[in-house]
Amino acid sequence: DAKTTQPNSMESNEEEPVHLPCNHSTISGTDYIHWYRQLPSQGPEYVIHGLTSNVNNRMASLAIAEDRKSSTLILHRATLRDAAVYYCILRDFNSGYALNFGKGTSLLVTP
Amino acid sequence: GAGVSQSPRYKVAKRGQDVALRCDPISGHVSLFWYQQALGQGPEFLTYFQNEAQLDKSGLPSDRFFAERPEGSVSTLKIQRTQQEDSAVYLCASSRTESNQPQHFGDGTRLSIL
Repeated sequence: DAKTTQPNSMESNEEEPVHLPCNHSTISGTDYIHWYRQLPSQGPEYVIHGLTSNVNNRMASLAIAEDRKSSTLILHRATLRDAAVYYCILRDFNSGYALNFGKGTSLLVTP
Repeated sequence: GAGVSQSPRYKVAKRGQDVALRCDPISGHVSLFWYQQALGQGPEFLTYFQNEAQLDKSGLPSDRFFAERPEGSVSTLKIQRTQQEDSAVYLCASSRTESNQPQHFGDGTRLSIL
């Protein structure tokens, strides 16, 4: 499976935008980019996914580089509840079912 | 709403005992997954069911680990002769199909082996 690289941790102020980067230089043409997050003492939660075009939903936006070798998860206004570990995961459309989580980025949100 | 439910929420067992962890997936979800999460690490894949068929068990750490989903709904992960390294959070997830559908996770069972 192609791997992703994320910073170990990031910090943000409440009510400010947060840009969480992910590098995936070995991405293949059939890999979707998925983001999950895990709040303390909870199971992971799906956030968003995309293939080539930027995606928006009620939780976040996903910006995908033109060469698809990197992507950015954007939280438009961070709240204290957004403090979590964020995982960027590649999932092959044809054969992927298991999620390869890696270590993710631990996001700290300060008031 | 009815999400993925796991029980028990916490389990403490002595080394050598057998344990059984239960997962109730979202009704109608075809696919079911088990993951193991060690402290400070991301979840790691254990096994995958499509309905009652176990299609992939490549992530199970040893033959002491056994999973079943006999009627294509509830699943049980069993660990025999537990060892201290089995201590972890065991997460269950379900999805409508396996192909790029979001996986919905339960809050896991925290297993501690003394």
